[in-house]
Amino acid sequence: GENVEQHPSTLSVQEGDSAVIKCTYSDSASNYFPWYKQELGKRPQLIIDIRSNVGEKKDQRIAVTLNKTAKHFSLHITETQPEDSAVYFCAASTPPNSGYALNFGKGTSLLVTP
Amino acid sequence: EAEVAQSPRYKITEKSQAVAFWCDPISGHATLYWYRQILGQGPELLVQFQDESVVDDSQLPKDRFSAERLKGVDSTLKIQPAELGDSAMYLCASRPAGPSNIQYFGAGTRLSVL
Repeated sequence: GENVEQHPSTLSVQEGDSAVIKCTYSDSASNYFPWYKQELGKRPQLIIDIRSNVGEKKDQRIAVTLNKTAKHFSLHITETQPEDSAVYFCAASTPPNSGYALNFGKGTSLLVTP
Repeated sequence: EAEVAQSPRYKITEKSQAVAFWCDPISGHATLYWYRQILGQGPELLVQFQDESVVDDSQLPKDRFSAERLKGVDSTLKIQPAELGDSAMYLCASRPAGPSNIQYFGAGTRLSVL
């Protein structure tokens, strides 16, 4: 089955700096890659996603890049703010025969210090 | 904005007892997922429903876990008997019918087995 590796496990940045989180996946058939943000005690919230037919997607301060050949994708957060502090999870999903279930990485705990 | 509802939010039980969690997906969402999230890790799929049918329960420990979605709407996940290692957050997610891959998560039930 699909295996998703996520690095780093913890990340501390100063407010205003950029943060980058990287994930690799094992199943070349995976074609959907969402990123979720989970604040303490709250539900995972989708912040951005990308499909395998796109190399990059941006939404304000957040961007995701995908390299299908290398089977890795990354989350980029620019101009970080204290409210960006949370745990971020990457995930990969394979086509319909697996029901689009998500295989998650182990998460990155991001701390943005003022 | 519609949300996935889960109850209870917290459950403390003793080992060997039975516990049950409830999930009400967003109205009209045909696909429902139960994930287990152990502290410090990403969610892992337990079971997936398409309407009232189980699509994937390969990761569900069937000797003690059961799940049902009788009318294809809300769902119940049961553990009997609970073991210490079952302590975790149990997350429910739903996805609309059609090509969208986006999964919407509930706030989860945090289970502590003593």
